[in-house]
Amino acid sequence: EAQVTQNPRYLITVTGKKLTVTCSQNMNHEYMSWYRQDPGLGLRQIYYSMNVEVTDKGDVPEGYKVSRKEKRNFPLILESPSPNQTSLYFCASSEGLREFFGPGTRLTVL
Amino acid sequence: AQKVTQAQTEISVVEKEDVTLDCVYETRDTTYYLFWYKQPPSGELVFLIRRNSFDEQNEISGRYSWNFQKSTSSFNFTITASQVVDSAVYFCALISGGSARQLTFGSGTQLTVLP
Repeated sequence: EAQVTQNPRYLITVTGKKLTVTCSQNMNHEYMSWYRQDPGLGLRQIYYSMNVEVTDKGDVPEGYKVSRKEKRNFPLILESPSPNQTSLYFCASSEGLREFFGPGTRLTVL
Repeated sequence: AQKVTQAQTEISVVEKEDVTLDCVYETRDTTYYLFWYKQPPSGELVFLIRRNSFDEQNEISGRYSWNFQKSTSSFNFTITASQVVDSAVYFCALISGGSARQLTFGSGTQLTVLP
């Protein structure tokens, strides 16, 4: 089954404790991206990747890092999380112009 | 810069009523793509439709229909004979042409269909 998986689905952490949210797709898509969803703001793109070792900033990249060492994986790294990064995060992959979204990761930073 | 505006934050209708969700977009590119996504209470994002800027034909899929008007930069979504299962947040989104492939979302419209 074609899918995008994210882990963990839920995470509660404390300020400053480094964390990684994993994202994996099994569709051999070149393009992957990360979004955060906040009430009243819709989804905003954090980072995207056009292919392996090619990443670029989206609208709200501050406080986040990504890497793309393999085509299928695109982890999101928060080196020093802060409470304003409490949000719902979605990973997506696409081929052509349709995004396939993961199930979301709800992150709370205390 | 590109922008998507969904002015309706929340809409409530009674089951079987028709409802239209508005979407207005801004872009300087002549080539662009418009999307609608549905986010039910379970939280996942469900792709509904993609439209190219050079194809202004309206589209109908069952109870769903989309009205694309370049003259007013709008891409409105109508649900006919709404059902309780249509209750969700609906997002309109835009990708403009060019090498920077960035998907810009509107802020979403919360649709509640009452029985």
